[in-house]
Amino acid sequence: DAGITQSPRHKVTETGTPVTLRCHQTENHRYMYWYRQDPGHGLRLIHYSYGVKDTDKGEVSDGYSVSRSKTEDFLLTLESATSSQTSVYFCAISELTGSYGYTFGSGTRLTVV
Amino acid sequence: RKEVEQDPGPFNVPEGATVAFNCTYSNSASQSFFWYRQDCRKEPKLLMSVYSSGNEDGRFTAQLNRASQYISLLIRDSKLSDSATYLCVVNIPSGSARQLTFGSGTQLTVLP
Repeated sequence: DAGITQSPRHKVTETGTPVTLRCHQTENHRYMYWYRQDPGHGLRLIHYSYGVKDTDKGEVSDGYSVSRSKTEDFLLTLESATSSQTSVYFCAISELTGSYGYTFGSGTRLTVV
Repeated sequence: RKEVEQDPGPFNVPEGATVAFNCTYSNSASQSFFWYRQDCRKEPKLLMSVYSSGNEDGRFTAQLNRASQYISLLIRDSKLSDSATYLCVVNIPSGSARQLTFGSGTQLTVLP
């Protein structure tokens, strides 16, 4: 399997606190993505990166920011967590832009109380 | 209208049955198509790509109809281990890159 890890695996946080989720890859893939998955909505793209310091917004980017200072790390930050951000967050990587499908991390289950 | 729409499911079928899932996509500029499988509380994993001429991988057959913007997945001789959610995935141009857009998934339960 591709080397992609997410941390933490589970997190409970309080409304209004900042939260950072980390995605780390050892595959040297150019493209990295953050998705959230909710019942009835499927996987929705939050932000993606097409290189170091190159990022762009996805479908549901409000309330989220990202950073990519190194090829291997892609961070997702919830500046001030809200209950609507309770979700399962998946990171994905790909070598080319969507042509070969993505490899996903194991996910982070985030609960905002 | 959603960019990728799938059969709502769930599908409950007996072992050995043949089951088919359908999917439609709205963007005619889509270039790549996939089926992913997701087990409960796990990450999605690539099941197979879908090629224009149709393709087969063991008990799984995928078909693409570009004119109708329609994708299908056929599973023959269903096994208990096939129980999962199947996601239809389409590559759609977006911003500075092409993105994979996921359908909401169809849940399959294979019964003994």
